Parts: sequence; structure tokens; C-alpha cells
Amino acid sequence: DGGITQSPKYLFRKEGQNVTLSCEQNLNHDAMYWYRQDPGQGLRLIYYSQIVNDFQKGDIAEGYSVSREKKESFPLTVTSAQKNPTAFYLCASSGQGDPQPQHFGDGTRLSIL
Amino acid sequence: EDQVTQSPEALRLQEGESSSLNCSYTVSGLRGLFWYRQDPGKGPEFLFTLYSAGEEKEKERLKATLTKKESFLHITAPKPEDSATYLCAVRVYSSASKIIFGSGTRLSIRP
Repeated sequence: DGGITQSPKYLFRKEGQNVTLSCEQNLNHDAMYWYRQDPGQGLRLIYYSQIVNDFQKGDIAEGYSVSREKKESFPLTVTSAQKNPTAFYLCASSGQGDPQPQHFGDGTRLSIL
Repeated sequence: EDQVTQSPEALRLQEGESSSLNCSYTVSGLRGLFWYRQDPGKGPEFLFTLYSAGEEKEKERLKATLTKKESFLHITAPKPEDSATYLCAVRVYSSASKIIFGSGTRLSIRP
């Protein structure tokens, strides 16, 4: 079945360490997104990409980086510069035409050791 | 500033007790409004898209409606399996790619 796969489901980061969250989709969607979800808050956009080899900062990009080398993959790196990385991270994709809903993976929960 | 507000934050109902969730929005120009369901530890699951005032969409016990300022998600005779957080999101004309999410309503249905 088509969908979005995020891995790992749980991730632990040590102080000063960079970690990378994986997001793969087989929906043939052009656009992909990364969100952060904190308790009691709405989803906040970190980065998005509308096409391969191009991406834009969202509302809270500081301390994060992304790449988009393949249409189906959009990994997110949480760098040591992100001082409060503990959160639930969600990856989404959407197809062409507007407005298209975003379809989400099942998230990665990142915690600090 | 574009904004989406959902109310109430939490709602507890008895099985079979119908109610409505509210999503009010203040945006520069609405391209579409989305409703999602999110279970604990999972990603949001898409439910509906509404494009213009007066539009309604239905799915099982859920019905979504849209006015120029707000959307309602009506739940009729809910069952315990309808317990989840319901998220509302809007796409606006001022941003081709951004969707603005509300903080959600946590719905709990007691058997």
C-alpha cells in the first residue's frame, strides 16, 4: 500500500550529537514537509520541499537541516544547535493540484538522554 | 496574522451523546480547510477538505461544515472508537505551500 514511512519510531539524542530522522514516501508526491508537535500545541512547520533539490525554511527551522536528493526521501537532521529537541516529529507529503491535503507518517519521538 | 483556533481543548462525552467541535479561523484568504483525526502516538489521518462556505462533507458519524469564519465537526451518536484528537488546518492564498494547524480538540467517548 502507498504511504509514508518514518523511522525510527523512537530516538534518543546525547548532548552535542546530531541525529537524522528518516522519511520515505511511495505516493509519488512532489511536496514533502517536516513538522514538530509539542503537547498542547499545533503542528509547527520546520522545513518543506516542493521539488527535488529544493527546500524552504518553515517557521522554526533554526537548529534543523534537510536534504531532498530523491523525490521519495526527505530526511531531517536535528543538530546540536537545537537546544530543545524533545518532541514528536511528523513528516508529510502532498500531491499536485491545490488545495491538496497532506498525508502523514506515524512520527518519530525524539528524547534527550 | 493568519490564525486557527479550536475549541474546546478537550471534550468528554457519553457514548451516543452527539456534539460539535469548533474551528474558527482568521486568514487573509481561504483556499481550503482540512479536518484530521490523530490517535495517540500516530500521525494525523486525513478526514475532509472543505473549499467554500456552505459546503458539507460526511463520513460515518462525522459531518464537517464550513462558514466564512468557522468550521464545525459534528459527531452524531459517537462510539468509544471515535476517541481521538481532531485537528483543523487551513491553507491560505498568501502562502502556496503552508498549512496552518489549530492545536486540536481531544475527544473522549465513555462507554
